[in-house]
Amino acid sequence: AQSVTQPDIHITVSEGASLELRCNYSYGATPYLFWYVQSPGQGLQLLLKYFSGDTLVQGIKGFEAEFKRSQSSFNLRKPSVHWSDAAEYFCAVGAGGSQGNLIFGKGTKLSVKP
Amino acid sequence: DVKVTQSSRYLVKRTGEKVFLECVQDMDHENMFWYRQDPGLGLRLIYFSYDVKMKEKGDIPEGYSVSREKKERFSLILESASTNQTSMYLCASKQGAGETQYFGPGTRLLVL
Repeated sequence: AQSVTQPDIHITVSEGASLELRCNYSYGATPYLFWYVQSPGQGLQLLLKYFSGDTLVQGIKGFEAEFKRSQSSFNLRKPSVHWSDAAEYFCAVGAGGSQGNLIFGKGTKLSVKP
Repeated sequence: DVKVTQSSRYLVKRTGEKVFLECVQDMDHENMFWYRQDPGLGLRLIYFSYDVKMKEKGDIPEGYSVSREKKERFSLILESASTNQTSMYLCASKQGAGETQYFGPGTRLLVL
């Protein structure tokens, strides 16, 4: 069965520092992979997605993610974090099929220190 | 611009009440989804619909039902609300397999 693991429940970084959020997935075929961000009290906003092709994917707000098939990972990175990046981040894998449900990780909450 | 709207941002209901959560999308998407989100559990799929009048159970359908009479509208129904259904409910829509799911702002439901 498909699954997504985000090993870090909560991460704190200083403003201006680099960020890497980890995501590992279990899926039998080439997956569709997504990162979403959720600000407090809000819905989810898509940061970036990987379907095929270049394994380094650029997203909005200066985020990028790299698909590594050998490690079953899709880690999210940002070179310099801003205070406004404080939010919860969800990794998701497309479950396949014509409807293509998403399987979500449990999320990583990011706090940013001034 | 893509838009998914949910009828209420906050809702307070009593145990045993019938509760309707409405979701509308303006993108002519085929697929619509209802999730609930709880701290430490992430998003869990309740039901989804891939066409008008069609529905499929997700991972946690117990205590819920859905209705999709029109393509743009997908309703989640709590037949008899219970306190363990206090949660954040998120609606989403997408066109097809591999496409991006777009989410509404969520409805925070409190059942007393």
